[in-house]
Amino acid sequence: GAGVSQSPRYKVAKRGQDVALRCDPISGHVSLFWYQQALGQGPEFLTYFQNEAQLDKSGLPSDRFFAERPEGSVSTLKIQRTQQEDSAVYLCASSLAQGATEAFFGQGTRLTVV
Amino acid sequence: QKEVEQDPGPLSVPEGAIVSLNCTYSNSAFQYFMWYRQYSRKGPELLMYTYSSGNKEDGRFTAQVDKSSKYISLFIRDSQPSDSATYLCAPGYSSASKIIFGSGTRLSIRP
Repeated sequence: GAGVSQSPRYKVAKRGQDVALRCDPISGHVSLFWYQQALGQGPEFLTYFQNEAQLDKSGLPSDRFFAERPEGSVSTLKIQRTQQEDSAVYLCASSLAQGATEAFFGQGTRLTVV
Repeated sequence: QKEVEQDPGPLSVPEGAIVSLNCTYSNSAFQYFMWYRQYSRKGPELLMYTYSSGNKEDGRFTAQVDKSSKYISLFIRDSQPSDSATYLCAPGYSSASKIIFGSGTRLSIRP
């Protein structure tokens, strides 16, 4: 497909479990962003990659959150020892250019921690 | 104070009405101003994008930015039921940085 693909679409995790969320950006897109969206809220920035370099991780809420993009294409957001407050939709976006002005979003992964 | 403030609504208007959606922001360093539309259970999609102050029109949609008052507006003319969605204002510092989203305004257009 031509869009940003995220998997899984839905994930239920028991509290304390580790999870890994995958993002396949649009082919050739340089920039990749992760956002967290709580119910009824706008997306909150987590982290930003330009190719394989993580240029901004200021939005990661704790050291339990880790993101990587080792080959500059697919990215994984990992959450260790999940907590109930981690329940949210995790959105990935990519853009062709260096920045976020024309970012394309995936449908998101809905994480529920029980 | 949040960097971007947006009335969450919900806002319900009849089909054909003119809709006005607004945001205020606090950081004068914002230079790029975007509106995203998000349908239920979907990711946001870029609707309009402007740089600095002024107006931009695209079909039934007009985006306005007033940097002096730090006020962003989106107008929808001849609103359609298919416009029912959450609208997110999203200013950015530069073309190479993250987007800051407002909380979104939920809009419903009644047939």
